[in-house]
Amino acid sequence: EPEVTQTPSHQVTQMGQEVILRCVPISNHLYFYWYRQILGQKVEFLVSFYNNEISEKSEIFDDQFSVERPDGSNFTLKIRSTKLEDSAMYFCASVGVAHSNQPQHFGDGTRLSIL
Amino acid sequence: SQQGEEDPQALSIQEGENATMNCSYKTSINNLQWYRQNSGRGLVHLILIRSNEREKHSGRLRVTLDTSKKSSSLLITASRAADTASYFCATDLWGGKLIFGQGTELSVKP
Repeated sequence: EPEVTQTPSHQVTQMGQEVILRCVPISNHLYFYWYRQILGQKVEFLVSFYNNEISEKSEIFDDQFSVERPDGSNFTLKIRSTKLEDSAMYFCASVGVAHSNQPQHFGDGTRLSIL
Repeated sequence: SQQGEEDPQALSIQEGENATMNCSYKTSINNLQWYRQNSGRGLVHLILIRSNEREKHSGRLRVTLDTSKKSSSLLITASRAADTASYFCATDLWGGKLIFGQGTELSVKP
C-alpha cells in the first residue's frame, strides 16, 4: 500500500538555525498538510496546501514557517529561525481529494529537537 | 471545552476485555475519524464515519456517531496487548483540515 514518507526521522538543530523537513506524499494525492504534536499534547493543524498554494493556515503558522512543493513529489516545511518551542513531532499528511470523505494518510513524522 | 475531547484520558484493561473510548465535539462536522498512534510513531487511520452514518464496523472496531449529542465512541472488542497505543478522534469540519482531540492512552495487559 502506498504511504507517506518523511525525512529525516529525527532532526537536532541549534536555536536560531533554519530547518527543512521533507515529505513525499502519496503519488496521486492532491492535498497536503502539515501538523505538529508537542510532546504529550494533541496533534495540531499547521497548514494545508493545494495547487501550489496555501489553502489554510493556523495561528501557529507564522512568518517563520513556509511550505513548498519544489518538484512533483516533495513537499517541504521550512522553519527559518527555530525557537525552543518549535521542538515537536511534525507530521505530513496527504489526501486524494479534500472536502470529501477520504481519510488523510500520515507519515511517521520528524522529531525536531531544538537546543 | 475544545473540539474533539476524548475520555477517558487513560484506560487500562486486561487482554480479552473490550475497550470503549468516547469523543465529543462542538461544531457541525463532515466526518469523524479515529486514528491510532503507537509511542513515538505516526498516526494510523483506523476508521472514518460520515456525518450521515450512525455506526460503522471494521474487524474488531466498532464506531458510533451521534450528531445530536455531538459525540462518537470507539469500541475495540477482544483487546490484545498489541492494541496498546494512543487513540485519537479527529473531526473534519468541511475545510479539509483535521481537528484532533487529546487522545485516550490505552494499555492492554497480557
